Amino acid sequence: DSGVTQTPKHLITATGQRVTLRCSPRSGDLSVYWYQQSLDQGLQFLIQYYNGEERAKGNILERFSAQQFPDLHSELNLSSLELGDSALYFCASSGLVGGSGEQFFGPGTRLTVL
Amino acid sequence: QQQVKQSPQSLIVQKGGISIINCAYENTAFDYFPWYQQFPGKGPALLIAIRPDVSEKKEGRFTISFNKSAKQFSLHIMDSQPGDSATYFCAASKPSSGDKFYFGSGTKLNVKP
Repeated sequence: DSGVTQTPKHLITATGQRVTLRCSPRSGDLSVYWYQQSLDQGLQFLIQYYNGEERAKGNILERFSAQQFPDLHSELNLSSLELGDSALYFCASSGLVGGSGEQFFGPGTRLTVL
Repeated sequence: QQQVKQSPQSLIVQKGGISIINCAYENTAFDYFPWYQQFPGKGPALLIAIRPDVSEKKEGRFTISFNKSAKQFSLHIMDSQPGDSATYFCAASKPSSGDKFYFGSGTKLNVKP
């Protein structure tokens, strides 16, 4: 158990809909990262937040947005969903900033868009 | 452009054999190179990591070999066991990118009994 929690575990929705994925980082970790893993694909970095502020952005679509709240939990919002958005979405957390180190991954949310 | 290239895509090894997975990178600013292990339906978990100031790091049956001049690093799993069957991802990060990981495409390892 990494200490990172993600809800829900599974999500099934229809095209055009909007969903929110939630992540709670490990106790004390200020950085939260979101990754997308499509079927048989590697992990693609979407976005990072540190202590409530956006720190780095990757291949995140304009239909997607995220935020980190004062209690450090983070939410990833996906809107106008398309079939191709079906994937595993992972959240990771880290206690480091300004230097590279271990990221702890949650169990993921499996999103299925029908 | 993929910043970290991983090979092979899949690997079949007999129990007791050595599994070798390779990764190559271009950006010399990378300063942290972890390997993650992922079982089906689970999140990736850190297996072992190395920084460029050392050429090798060993933890139990797992060893990272790092060649800074060639910009390559590899994972060796000695005495491979069926329980090692999983997908392995190499990654790299650099402080200036906000610590985000650039992941390789993954290697699906199957260790046959």
